[in-house]
Amino acid sequence: SAVISQKPSRDICQRGTSLTIQCQVDSQVTMMFWYRQQPGQSLTLIATANQGSEATYESGFVIDKFPISRPNLTFSTLTVSNMSPEDSSIYLCSVGSTDTQYFGPGTRLTVL
Amino acid sequence: SQQGEEDPQALSIQEGENATMNCSYKTSINNLQWYRQNSGRGLVHLILIRSNEREKHSGRLRVTLDTSKKSSSLLITASRAADTASYFCATDKEGAQKLVFGQGTRLTINP
Repeated sequence: SAVISQKPSRDICQRGTSLTIQCQVDSQVTMMFWYRQQPGQSLTLIATANQGSEATYESGFVIDKFPISRPNLTFSTLTVSNMSPEDSSIYLCSVGSTDTQYFGPGTRLTVL
Repeated sequence: SQQGEEDPQALSIQEGENATMNCSYKTSINNLQWYRQNSGRGLVHLILIRSNEREKHSGRLRVTLDTSKKSSSLLITASRAADTASYFCATDKEGAQKLVFGQGTRLTINP
């Protein structure tokens, strides 16, 4: 198993600003995943982040809006850029394989 | 688009009763998993069933998989107030290293 922490746990931001979310894992992992969960909805995969390479984005998500860093095997950041109220969601990082994924506690973002 | 569709969207039962949630998917899979999410927090992995399995048990959980119908069910027996949560199925697409989550069932256990 893996223990994952995220910072911040929640934030309220103004329209047009950016927020960087951090994800820390207690062990080295190859792949990290970033998800968005809009209010009352399911999880949607934003991108997969591998250490040492560019993140792979899912359809509907672009690097300019959601830049991701993966500087080492235990850490990743997701930035939500030029935010609008539609970006209000819970953002979750996870690690693991397609057999089991371990999730961080999530970052609850509200954009005013 | 989401591959997994779940029903019901919401389920409210009395403590001690059994709760059944269903999940359908569209393409071939290697496995199907169920996760629980409490109050909009992180998800917790509950159980995995592989495409060549038909039924699996873990404590009070029973999962079935019917690949011919592309559907799965999660049964929670003797429900407890602590089972109140949202439950999601997730499938992996063959050949893809990622999961696709269903819409989820919001389960409420009334004392």
